Amino acid sequence: EDQVTQSPEALRLQEGESSSLNCSYTVSGLRGLFWYRQDPGKGPEFLFTLYSAGEEKEKERLKATLTKKESFLHITAPKPEDSATYLCAVRDTGTASKLTFGTGTRLQVTL
Amino acid sequence: NAGVTQTPKFRVLKTGQSMTLLCAQDMNHEYMYWYRQDPGMGLRLIHYSVGEGTTAKGEVPDGYNVSRLKKQNFLLGLESAAPSQTSVYFCASSQGTAINFGPGTRLTVT
Repeated sequence: EDQVTQSPEALRLQEGESSSLNCSYTVSGLRGLFWYRQDPGKGPEFLFTLYSAGEEKEKERLKATLTKKESFLHITAPKPEDSATYLCAVRDTGTASKLTFGTGTRLQVTL
Repeated sequence: NAGVTQTPKFRVLKTGQSMTLLCAQDMNHEYMYWYRQDPGMGLRLIHYSVGEGTTAKGEVPDGYNVSRLKKQNFLLGLESAAPSQTSVYFCASSQGTAINFGPGTRLTVT
């Protein structure tokens, strides 16, 4: 059974204070690791997909990296508008492209 | 291009009542999903579909039924609502890569 564990549960940063969110996973055969951003009262919004160890993807102040057991979402010089819950998910080699999600990291960036 | 839309946005039901949540996508995606999201539990898959006319059980299917009569629509039914079904429900679709989510339906069962 696929498992995804995210840490920390919550993170409070000051504007400009860089940090990383962790996603550790157990899956029989990885067919993609996904990062989503979710704002309160809204649906998750897709950020990145990573497929193999060593792969990196970047978008503005966010960079996602992948190893064989975990992924990191690095946030460089965050701004208050980066405040959200960040969700990690994995897809295994089964059918239907189903995703298994972690419980998320709630990020708050203050001035 | 509206993406994934869900109806209604909010609903309050009494225990034992029934209802149907509607989901539509305009991206011609083959795969569609229903997830529920609860505090501390994350997103959990209820049912999914790999194409028109097909449905399959996910992680937490009990108490729910689904139908996919048309490719663009995926319906989630609650036959006899229970307080344990109070949750936020998200519909999503995919063509095999990233899953695109709708805005959610907040359901309260009293």
